[in-house]
Amino acid sequence: KAGVTQTPRYLIKTRGQQVTLSCSPISGHRSVSWYQQTPGQGLQFLFEYFSETQRNKGNFPGRFSGRQFSNSRSEMNVSTLELGDSALYLCASSPGTSGRNTQYFGPGTRLTVL
Amino acid sequence: GENVEQHPSTLSVQEGDSAVIKCTYSDSASNYFPWYKQELGKGPQLIIDIRSNVGEKKDQRIAVTLNKTAKHFSLHITETQPEDSAVYFCAASKDSGYSTLTFGKGTMLLVSP
Repeated sequence: KAGVTQTPRYLIKTRGQQVTLSCSPISGHRSVSWYQQTPGQGLQFLFEYFSETQRNKGNFPGRFSGRQFSNSRSEMNVSTLELGDSALYLCASSPGTSGRNTQYFGPGTRLTVL
Repeated sequence: GENVEQHPSTLSVQEGDSAVIKCTYSDSASNYFPWYKQELGKGPQLIIDIRSNVGEKKDQRIAVTLNKTAKHFSLHITETQPEDSAVYFCAASKDSGYSTLTFGKGTMLLVSP
């Protein structure tokens, strides 16, 4: 089975711009979670989607949003970028059901905000 | 919410030695505990996980132990090799479909030849 894929792998943006990141889960997985990884804060949960519905949300401002499509692929969007949004954005997929929530991560998208 | 503490933050060992990384968690309702290994430029890779109906789980040179009463769990790597050098993260969650992972801050393991 192919693993979780994320595109693009690297992005450079300037403050005030917006960005969209994409994630394709493992085939058959219906849950996609997004995490932000920074040296200072570590891995922090952004949100989780299951069958096109957001089931869970972390403590991030409304500038961070996401969606999931019927084929389980997911996108996350960050609007009005700030310098502090520079991070590695990781997505993880899982079957998403009780007892089957093991999460498998993609390689991440490295976002740099100048 | 859940809080996961991980120690040590860095660990240096000689090849062939054992390495132990410890984590504590705060939410007694958590019952799923995975460990991830992250190499430079890559996403976290699941190496082993344990659910609270099990006290210990082994996979070749890697083992995880869980003490639910004390709310701590540990990763044990035996016969370490240079390729084990990476950052290791512990995490905790409830074992339901929509549970989110709360991660520790990570341990940088360096194995010297």
